[in-house]
Amino acid sequence: NAGVTQTPKFRVLKTGQSMTLLCAQDMNHEYMYWYRQDPGMGLRLIHYSVGEGTTAKGEVPDGYNVSRLKKQNFLLGLESAAPSQTSVYFCASSYHMDESTGELFFGEGSRLTVL
Amino acid sequence: AQKITQTQPGMFVQEKEAVTLDCTYDTSDPSYGLFWYKQPSSGEMIFLIYQGSYDQQNATEGRYSLNFQKARKSANLVISASQLGDSAMYFCAMRSFTNAGGTSYGKLTFGQGTILTVHP
Repeated sequence: NAGVTQTPKFRVLKTGQSMTLLCAQDMNHEYMYWYRQDPGMGLRLIHYSVGEGTTAKGEVPDGYNVSRLKKQNFLLGLESAAPSQTSVYFCASSYHMDESTGELFFGEGSRLTVL
Repeated sequence: AQKITQTQPGMFVQEKEAVTLDCTYDTSDPSYGLFWYKQPSSGEMIFLIYQGSYDQQNATEGRYSLNFQKARKSANLVISASQLGDSAMYFCAMRSFTNAGGTSYGKLTFGQGTILTVHP
């Protein structure tokens, strides 16, 4: 009954360090997403994937890379962290995105602080 | 480009009263979907309600209803009989599609959010 799981939940980085956020879902969903949430700006889409081996850029992709080597996992990488990347990151997944609801299921969020 | 606007940064309501949270959208897609999510102080995102652009009736889910006015491009959330547990951030979101290389990519675009506070 795990749903969408994000690791780590909290992380503090120094400017220039790299890290990877892992998102895992056990619902056999095709679509996976990475969003960032900042005060007053809602959730903004970083990257997303419509299936294993495919990724696409969202609204704010700069400074991030992603990979979807396995259907159940979606990794978000920061190669050289910057203070502007201090945020709460949410992973989400959905079975499909068509004429049905396409409801997103969210992870609990990962709070990243870049000093 | 798709855009979602929530013009109310914060709203206050008395317990047991009804409250309306505003959401307007802009899209050129003939088919789209509108969602509302709740984010309590604990941080998780909770799906509340969905409205498809071709749905003839306004969506309802328990105490939540979506006042969908297609011509005005608005999708307001109405919460009836507010409870203290309704205090949270509320996000409106719209599903849109991008076609690239013959593949349709769907995604949700979120508004800025409205903080609702329910007073006893």
